[in-house]
Amino acid sequence: GESVGLHLPTLSVQEGDNSIINCAYSNSASDYFIWYKQESGKGPQFIIDIRSNMDKRQGQRVTVLLNKTVKHLSLQIAATQPGDSAVYFCAENRGVGGGADGLTFGKGTHLIIQP
Amino acid sequence: DSGVTQTPKHLITATGQRVTLRCSPRSGDLSVYWYQQSLDQGLQFLIQYYNGEERAKGNILERFSAQQFPDLHSELNLSSLELGDSALYFCASTPGQNNSPLHFGNGTRLTVT
Repeated sequence: GESVGLHLPTLSVQEGDNSIINCAYSNSASDYFIWYKQESGKGPQFIIDIRSNMDKRQGQRVTVLLNKTVKHLSLQIAATQPGDSAVYFCAENRGVGGGADGLTFGKGTHLIIQP
Repeated sequence: DSGVTQTPKHLITATGQRVTLRCSPRSGDLSVYWYQQSLDQGLQFLIQYYNGEERAKGNILERFSAQQFPDLHSELNLSSLELGDSALYFCASTPGQNNSPLHFGNGTRLTVT
């Protein structure tokens, strides 16, 4: 079965609020995790990544949290804007042999920003 | 703009036909990856090339093949097309082989009728 999954297929938030997108993974050997954003008609766009030796990493308006104990990954987006509306994917790399051939994507969460 | 270029953007063809999708990676990237995205399967890894050599295979059908040329562009060939092959096909590139974020092109939407 798929080792990466998302709890909520659709998340609706008010513009200006913070949003949290969650992701569960089951492979404890995974050592690299990535969040992607995909807008309609475009390819997945890299947002932020984190390695397993970290539990938090911050970018511009985004924060990724990694909890290896419960195999959980989350993406926090601060002060959401209309342009944040997209499908968000988490992906894990099992690290064995390296390379993105080991990159497994979740099904995605559709984030909808309400005006 | 990711710097990865895919052509064509849209392709409509009939069952049984053969098509070629093209990808130009970001300047300097040696690895090229092909992914298929369908509504029911999500993003599925097909195949990876590194500096002209096949590096890894995923869920790629025998009817599909790919290659990476000396100038590092890549082509994905899909033959004996079936209705179920209708999907978005993405190319992505990275500088090396390991643990780098993939940079995706905007895909080719293939419709098989």
